Amino acid sequence: GAVVSQHPSWVICKSGTSVKIECRSLDFQATTMFWYRQFPKQSLMLMATSNEGSKATYEQGVEKDKFLINHASLTLSTLTVTSAHPEDSSFYICSARSRPTGELFFGEGSRLTVL
Amino acid sequence: AQKVTQAQTEISVVEKEDVTLDCVYETRDTTYYLFWYKQPPSGELVFLIRRNSFDEQNEISGRYSWNFQKSTSSFNFTITASQVVDSAVYFCALSEASNDYKLSFGAGTTVTVRA
Repeated sequence: GAVVSQHPSWVICKSGTSVKIECRSLDFQATTMFWYRQFPKQSLMLMATSNEGSKATYEQGVEKDKFLINHASLTLSTLTVTSAHPEDSSFYICSARSRPTGELFFGEGSRLTVL
Repeated sequence: AQKVTQAQTEISVVEKEDVTLDCVYETRDTTYYLFWYKQPPSGELVFLIRRNSFDEQNEISGRYSWNFQKSTSSFNFTITASQVVDSAVYFCALSEASNDYKLSFGAGTTVTVRA
């Protein structure tokens, strides 16, 4: 079946550094990818919608300069957390919408811990 | 305004008991989709079901069943004869045509099945 892979699964970094998280659709082309953030014991909140070849659309309250999203190909989107701070520590989950079928598939998530 | 309400924060049952998770949604769209996802302790999101707004038939898949009632804007989920492996957080989500089909998640219900 279709698989969406996120890398890394978990990352620990120092405050002030930047961290890149990749989201790949392994066996299908994704017209659109979505990035969600999930704080402990909370629900998923949509951060941004990423369309291949165009700028990401950010949800209200999400800093686009803080969370850089690049969707360079139909199978890869990246989220870069710039100048990370402890409050950015969270579980980041991507999802990808299949080009041929329109179905939505989620990645396994990436847990970021900023010290 | 909350689009998806999962009033039950936590449910604890003993193995083999049935458990029903409530989901109430709010939308002005006539075309929308409803989803249930499972998030086990490992963190990934597991797709369980998608139902479009024009299909009110109830569905059964093994021990899982769903009751969709547009009249009460509810999409409830029942696990029959629960097992320890069913322990997870379960999210109900809504996808609306007017919102580019982005997913709005409920707060989630944590199900704990005790042996």
